[in-house]
Amino acid sequence: GENVEQHPSTLSVQEGDSAVIKCTYSDSASNYFPWYKQELGKGPQLIIDIRSNVGEKKDQRIAVTLNKTAKHFSLHITETQPEDSAVYFCAASKRGKLIFGQGTELSVKP
Amino acid sequence: DAGVIQSPRHEVTEMGQEVTLRCKPISGHDYLFWYRQTMMRGLELLIYFNNNVPIDDSGMPEDRFSAKMPNASFSTLKIQPSEPRDSAVYFCASRYTGSSGELFFGEGSRLTVL
Repeated sequence: GENVEQHPSTLSVQEGDSAVIKCTYSDSASNYFPWYKQELGKGPQLIIDIRSNVGEKKDQRIAVTLNKTAKHFSLHITETQPEDSAVYFCAASKRGKLIFGQGTELSVKP
Repeated sequence: DAGVIQSPRHEVTEMGQEVTLRCKPISGHDYLFWYRQTMMRGLELLIYFNNNVPIDDSGMPEDRFSAKMPNASFSTLKIQPSEPRDSAVYFCASRYTGSSGELFFGEGSRLTVL
């Protein structure tokens, strides 16, 4: 089955800096790659996603890139703000079954 | 819509007791997923349903765990008997077939087994 590896597990940046989180997946048939943000005491919430026929997608300060050949994808957050502090999860999906990475705890220091 | 609704939000029980977690998906959503979240294992998919039918239960840890979806607006996850290692946050999520694939999560049920 699908296996998703996510790095780093923790990331601390200064406000205004960029943050990058990387994931690799094992099943080349996976075709949908979302990123979720989880705040304390809440369920994960989708922030951006990308499909396998697209190499990059951007939404304001957030961007995701996908390299199908290498089977890895990354989340980029620019101009980080304290409210970006949360746990971020990548995931990979084939036929609707979503498998998550281990999560990255991002801390943005003012 | 109110979103995915889970109950109870917190449950503390003793080893050996039966635990039932409940989920009401968003109206109109035809997929329902149960996930378990722990520090050690992250977010694990336990089981998912499509149109109330279980599609993949390969993530259910053992026979002590069972899940049902008797109708489109209700699902249960039952653990019997419960063990301390079952302590975790259990999330229910739903989506609909025509969507981009986005899952909508409930706020979770935090289970502590003493």
